[in-house]
Amino acid sequence: EAEVAQSPRYKITEKSQAVAFWCDPISGHATLYWYRQILGQGPELLVQFQDESVVDDSQLPKDRFSAERLKGVDSTLKIQPAELGDSAMYLCASSPGQASSYEQYFGPGTRLTVT
Amino acid sequence: KQEVTQIPAALSVPEGENLVLNCSFTDSAIYNLQWFRQDPGKGLTSLLLIQSSQREQTSGRLNASLDKSSGRSTLYIAASQPGDSATYLCAVWIWSGGSNYKLTFGKGTLLTVNP
Repeated sequence: EAEVAQSPRYKITEKSQAVAFWCDPISGHATLYWYRQILGQGPELLVQFQDESVVDDSQLPKDRFSAERLKGVDSTLKIQPAELGDSAMYLCASSPGQASSYEQYFGPGTRLTVT
Repeated sequence: KQEVTQIPAALSVPEGENLVLNCSFTDSAIYNLQWFRQDPGKGLTSLLLIQSSQREQTSGRLNASLDKSSGRSTLYIAASQPGDSATYLCAVWIWSGGSNYKLTFGKGTLLTVNP
């Protein structure tokens, strides 16, 4: 069964350092999402891609976060510089398209701890 | 702004009991509703997707209902098992502009099924 892959699974970094997360969606899925989930909360959408284009980054803190999906396949989310409040689970999800009738499939997540 | 509330925040039941998890949303202009399961430290697994034109959806021991007019959904789990222990998240699909839709999540209900 096809799955969304994410790496690393865990990352510990010091504040002010740069950190990057990678996501490989299910093959053929045009839509890719990055979410942030703080402990005890539901996931919050950071950025949504349709193929290689960003279609929603309204909740992405653009002064320190960036995301790219250069060839419309895998994607990288970067934080520079990291702050203590960035400690969270970062989840990647993909779906065949943007329509609400499509289910989103989630990866295992990257647990980030900023010290 | 759409807000999703899940009650109760935590629930502990003995094995074999039937149970109901509740989800409410403030804006009835949703497109679809999706229930997810999340095991500790893991990503999300989709359980059921209810289309806006549907009133319920069933999968095995799970049954989810949707009442858009009242802004409510319930997830019914029959004959609960210890393996059902997890956090259950409710999410609504809302229109985010153009041809884009996105999920807004509740904080989840932490379910513990005791042997």
